[in-house]
Amino acid sequence: DGGITQSPKYLFRKEGQNVTLSCEQNLNHDAMYWYRQDPGQGLRLIYYSQIVNDFQKGDIAEGYSVSREKKESFPLTVTSAQKNPTAFYLCASKRGTSETYEQYFGPGTRLTVT
Amino acid sequence: AQSVTQPDIHITVSEGASLELRCNYSYGATPYLFWYVQSPGQGLQLLLKYFSGDTLVQGIKGFEAEFKRSQSSFNLRKPSVHWSDAAEYFCAVGARGSTLGRLYFGRGTQLTVWP
Repeated sequence: DGGITQSPKYLFRKEGQNVTLSCEQNLNHDAMYWYRQDPGQGLRLIYYSQIVNDFQKGDIAEGYSVSREKKESFPLTVTSAQKNPTAFYLCASKRGTSETYEQYFGPGTRLTVT
Repeated sequence: AQSVTQPDIHITVSEGASLELRCNYSYGATPYLFWYVQSPGQGLQLLLKYFSGDTLVQGIKGFEAEFKRSQSSFNLRKPSVHWSDAAEYFCAVGARGSTLGRLYFGRGTQLTVWP
């Protein structure tokens, strides 16, 4: 089955530690996205990538970093510089750069930092 | 810049009742419009989308939405709600002509369904 995998589903870290969230897709999609979701805030875009080895900052990129070394993978690192990292993180992908293509979402990773 | 407003944070309806979730957008031209649904602790699933043509679009699970240019709205409707429709619903807008492909999401409307 084609889809987007995010692992792990739940992640716990101590404050001051960097943590990397995994996102893998086997849909052969070109574009990938990372969103952060907080209660009552909707989805806010962290980073997005249209092609391999290229990515752009979204609206709340501070304290986060990404890489896109392979088409199917778009890992997100939450660094210690992110002031409030506890949130639900969603990865999405899209077939191409056309705005008419829909975004497909993974199941999410809930990160708790204490 | 584009923005999306979902005025209702939480809506409660009885099973079998009709439903309308409101969505207003801000954009200089006709945008691409989407409605997504999210069950607790899950990712988002696309319900329907509007790009052009007929302003009444049909989606999955019996949902429909109507694009009204004059009101900058894209309200989601369902004639008879089922208990399984309880979830959070997000409206999103994308820009025409954009090569970046990003979406702007509203804050969501939480739907509770009473039996």
